[in-house]
Amino acid sequence: DGGITQSPKYLFRKEGQNVTLSCEQNLNHDAMYWYRQDPGQGLRLIYYSQIVNDFQKGDIAEGYSVSREKKESFPLTVTSAQKNPTAFYLCASSMWSRVNSPLHFGNGTRLTVT
Amino acid sequence: GQQLNQSPQSMFIQEGEDVSMNCTSSSIFNTWLWYKQDPGEGPVLLIALYKAGELTSNGRLTAQFGITRKDSFLNISASIPSDVGIYFCAGTKGSQGNLIFGKGTKLSVKP
Repeated sequence: DGGITQSPKYLFRKEGQNVTLSCEQNLNHDAMYWYRQDPGQGLRLIYYSQIVNDFQKGDIAEGYSVSREKKESFPLTVTSAQKNPTAFYLCASSMWSRVNSPLHFGNGTRLTVT
Repeated sequence: GQQLNQSPQSMFIQEGEDVSMNCTSSSIFNTWLWYKQDPGEGPVLLIALYKAGELTSNGRLTAQFGITRKDSFLNISASIPSDVGIYFCAGTKGSQGNLIFGKGTKLSVKP
């Protein structure tokens, strides 16, 4: 079945460590996205990528980095510079070539930094 | 910043009741989408709306794209316990604009 896979489901890190969240899709979608979700908040866009080797900052990119070396993969690194990294992180993809194509989400990674 | 106002923030209803929630904005949107998120999972697309005035159903769910293009509503008829979750509206303003999300409506259903 086609879909988006995020791993791991739960991640625990000590403050000051960088951590990388994985996102893989086999939907042949051009665009991929990373969102952050905090309790009682909507989803906030961190980074997005429309094509391989290209990505753009979203609304809250500070303290995060991404890469898009393959169409299927869009890993997110939460760096030690991110002041409040504990959150639920969601990866999504869409067919960018289709105007207003809806996003399809993975099942998220819950990151806890202590 | 957040540009979509979603209400209500939460709802507690009895099984069998109908539910209505909405999203409004001061800006015109070209697309409205409604998602449902179960606890610990990613949001799942329920309904997508692409034209002002469009009314679309998906089972017991009905959503409309407001004629002014500044609002949308979602109705759930005859609620059941598995309707529990957080419902998000989302919209795009341009032909390739990124989705903007509302803060969600948390629905609780008492059996």
